[in-house]
Amino acid sequence: DGGITQSPKYLFRKEGQNVTLSCEQNLNHDAMYWYRQDPGQGLRLIYYSQIVNDFQKGDIAEGYSVSREKKESFPLTVTSAQKNPTAFYLCASSPRYSGANVLTFGAGSRLTVL
Amino acid sequence: QKEVEQDPGPLSVPEGAIVSLNCTYSNSAFQYFMWYRQYSRKGPELLMYTYSSGNKEDGRFTAQVDKSSKYISLFIRDSQPSDSATYLCAMGTGAGGTSYGKLTFGQGTILTVHP
Repeated sequence: DGGITQSPKYLFRKEGQNVTLSCEQNLNHDAMYWYRQDPGQGLRLIYYSQIVNDFQKGDIAEGYSVSREKKESFPLTVTSAQKNPTAFYLCASSPRYSGANVLTFGAGSRLTVL
Repeated sequence: QKEVEQDPGPLSVPEGAIVSLNCTYSNSAFQYFMWYRQYSRKGPELLMYTYSSGNKEDGRFTAQVDKSSKYISLFIRDSQPSDSATYLCAMGTGAGGTSYGKLTFGQGTILTVHP
């Protein structure tokens, strides 16, 4: 079945550590996204990539980094510079040339900073 | 003021009730409107999307858009316990330029349908 796989599902991190969240898709979608979800705040865009080896900052990119070396993969690194990293992180993808940008989401990764 | 405001809820209704979920927006450049459903500890899944003002029906779900009032709604008829989830409205300005891929989401409304 086609879809988006995020791992790990749950992750605990000590302050000062970098962590990397994995996102893999087999939908043959060109565009991929990372969103952060906090209670009462909806989804906020961290980074997105429309094509391999290219990505753009979203609304809350500070303290995060990404890479897009393969079409299928878009890992997110939460660095120690991110002041409040505890959140639910969602990866999504979409076909590149779609009118309405319909996103397919993964199941999410919950990061907790101890 | 946020670009998209969604009634926060939470909303608790008995099985069989008609549910109304609502969002308002301020950006007149939004061209398409979506509703996503998110079960607990899962990713959102698309329920419906529409471009135009008016109603769009899909089974027990009806999406309504009023561009003149900048207001969208999702109605759920004959609600079921399986409809219990968080509902997110989302809006976009269309592909092209720097706005590509960016959907603006509402805060989400938690709905509980009790038997």
